Amino acid sequence: GEDVEQSLFLSVREGDSSVINCTYTDSSSTYLYWYKQEPGAGLQLLTYIFSNMDMKQDQRLTVLLNKKDKHLSLRIADTQTGDSAIYFCAERRYSSASKIIFGSGTRLSIRP
Amino acid sequence: EAGVTQFPSHSVIEKGQTVTLRCDPISGHDNLYWYRRVMGKEIKFLLHFVKESKQDESGMPNNRFLAERTGGTYSTLKVQPAELEDSGVYFCASSQDLGFSTYEQYFGPGTRLTVT
Repeated sequence: GEDVEQSLFLSVREGDSSVINCTYTDSSSTYLYWYKQEPGAGLQLLTYIFSNMDMKQDQRLTVLLNKKDKHLSLRIADTQTGDSAIYFCAERRYSSASKIIFGSGTRLSIRP
Repeated sequence: EAGVTQFPSHSVIEKGQTVTLRCDPISGHDNLYWYRRVMGKEIKFLLHFVKESKQDESGMPNNRFLAERTGGTYSTLKVQPAELEDSGVYFCASSQDLGFSTYEQYFGPGTRLTVT
């Protein structure tokens, strides 16, 4: 199937770490992405990981990939109010290079 | 450099009417994509143009949707006649190439379509 699944909501306290989880179904996925959508804005590519990697770190962002379980996570360290957005997990498969397959998005809200 | 732009930002139409959405890709990007997000669900691929040719239109929901990209520059997506279930946010994206090195689809802000 084409399912990329993620939880719909996450609420964290400012300064804490946020962890957004995602599962996908297709083992032929080549790239796995995290996109961010702020209110009124388009989709911004936050980070990506190639399927032969386990982890990628980029400043406050850490992506972990468990290929066996088809599980992807995004950790945001020291979460700030500017991190409030919808985060979309997505995959790209070698078999259908044109399209990116997205999850439903996780709305991250930050509480003081 | 300007990003991907879409027009209008929001459209409200009645069921049965026609609406045309426009997307201007980043200059020089041969690849143009349409996606939509319906009712807060996942963002779904609609189709992909390479220049003026439709490379993949497997995601187009039905024949009420018509996408064009005359001249290989901007693209339009027409919905005729619109139905209630067409409400959602329509995103356009463009990319320079399809190589399996890292490439990025750059997304526009989307057009929010409301069919009443």
